[in-house]
Amino acid sequence: AQTVTQSQPEMSVQEAETVTLSCTYDTSESDYYLFWYKQPPSRQMILVIRQEAYKQQNATENRFSVNFQKAAKSFSLKISDSQLGDAAMYFCAYRAVPGTASKLTFGTGTRLQVTL
Amino acid sequence: NAGVTQTPKFQVLKTGQSMTLQCAQDMNHNSMYWYRQDPGMGLRLIYYSASEGTTDKGEVPNGYNVSRLNKREFSLRLESAAPSQTSVYFCASMMTGNSPLHFGNGTRLTVT
Repeated sequence: AQTVTQSQPEMSVQEAETVTLSCTYDTSESDYYLFWYKQPPSRQMILVIRQEAYKQQNATENRFSVNFQKAAKSFSLKISDSQLGDAAMYFCAYRAVPGTASKLTFGTGTRLQVTL
Repeated sequence: NAGVTQTPKFQVLKTGQSMTLQCAQDMNHNSMYWYRQDPGMGLRLIYYSASEGTTDKGEVPNGYNVSRLNKREFSLRLESAAPSQTSVYFCASMMTGNSPLHFGNGTRLTVT
């Protein structure tokens, strides 16, 4: 079974600084998708960024980027120029390519605090 | 565009009571999911429906049943609620391919 591990229960970053959230996963599949979701206090789950495993280029979305290391099974999220609105729980998630299993497996989350 | 709509937003049950959580999506998505979120445990899959007419167990299905009523609706039923089922429940849906999950706003359930 696939597992997703987020080893940092809490992180803190100063406004305007950069922070990196870690995620590792375990799978025997060669093709899959990886996601980062943000959950602010409103409880809403918001997609931050996604990465297809077959793509070597790291995904970026404005201030958010990933460092995808397929061999190491690592998928970290970098937030640049942190803002107060970035404070939230962040979840890393894995999904095998459809046709095998379409389930999304989540990590346990990292709570990010942003300080002035 | 409503997306994924869950009802109710909050619910308090006594041990042994039953209830159904409703979920509907208006995005014509094929797959629908029920997750529960507990502190320190992330989101865990209860049941999912890969397409209309099919349902499958996820990681934590015990104590729950589901019904994929049609392509839009996927309900979760607790037949006899237990305190261990106190949690936040999320419904989600997805098309196919590399599309992400779209989540409802969650239901906070407390079982006393």
